[in-house]
Amino acid sequence: DVKVTQSSRYLVKRTGEKVFLECVQDMDHENMFWYRQDPGLGLRLIYFSYDVKMKEKGDIPEGYSVSREKKERFSLILESASTNQTSMYLCASSFHLNEKLFFGSGTQLSVL
Amino acid sequence: SQQGEEDPQALSIQEGENATMNCSYKTSINNLQWYRQNSGRGLVHLILIRSNEREKHSGRLRVTLDTSKKSSSLLITASRAADTASYFCATPQNQAGTALIFGKGTTLSVSS
Repeated sequence: DVKVTQSSRYLVKRTGEKVFLECVQDMDHENMFWYRQDPGLGLRLIYFSYDVKMKEKGDIPEGYSVSREKKERFSLILESASTNQTSMYLCASSFHLNEKLFFGSGTQLSVL
Repeated sequence: SQQGEEDPQALSIQEGENATMNCSYKTSINNLQWYRQNSGRGLVHLILIRSNEREKHSGRLRVTLDTSKKSSSLLITASRAADTASYFCATPQNQAGTALIFGKGTTLSVSS
């Protein structure tokens, strides 16, 4: 079975901190994605990557950056965390760009 | 940008009844997908229907796609308490077929 692993299930950070959310997939997928999920707003795409060192902005990239140095790992970086970045963050991967996504279990981030 | 919109937002039924959820989208697509999310967890892919297909089945799930109306429906037959979850439709962001964009979801409650 494909496994997408997010490094933390719950995370509490202070405003202004630099935050790293890590995601690793074990199926040699080309494509990886970061979404955030908020009540009433559904899932919103932050960034995605279709190859190592390649990235594309999603709908809400402001305040975030990403890194993909190795095929299996896709990191989401909050350069200076703010309270409005408190959210559930979901990582996903896929073999084809717009086909079946495999999701991690999510990281619930609280910024205080 | 929200491509798909699910309807209704919430649905409560008894075990054994059928549950129908609808999804409308805005632009031409090459496929539409349905996902399920148990509370506080990652999403799980249920079914993918391509633009040249009108209906697809998987176990107790039946998905239809009407490209002329830009709409899809997900039918769960003989619902069980374990079907309680949120259900999301997802479509490619644009015709070039980039990342998936999700709707806000339908929350299904099945009581025994």
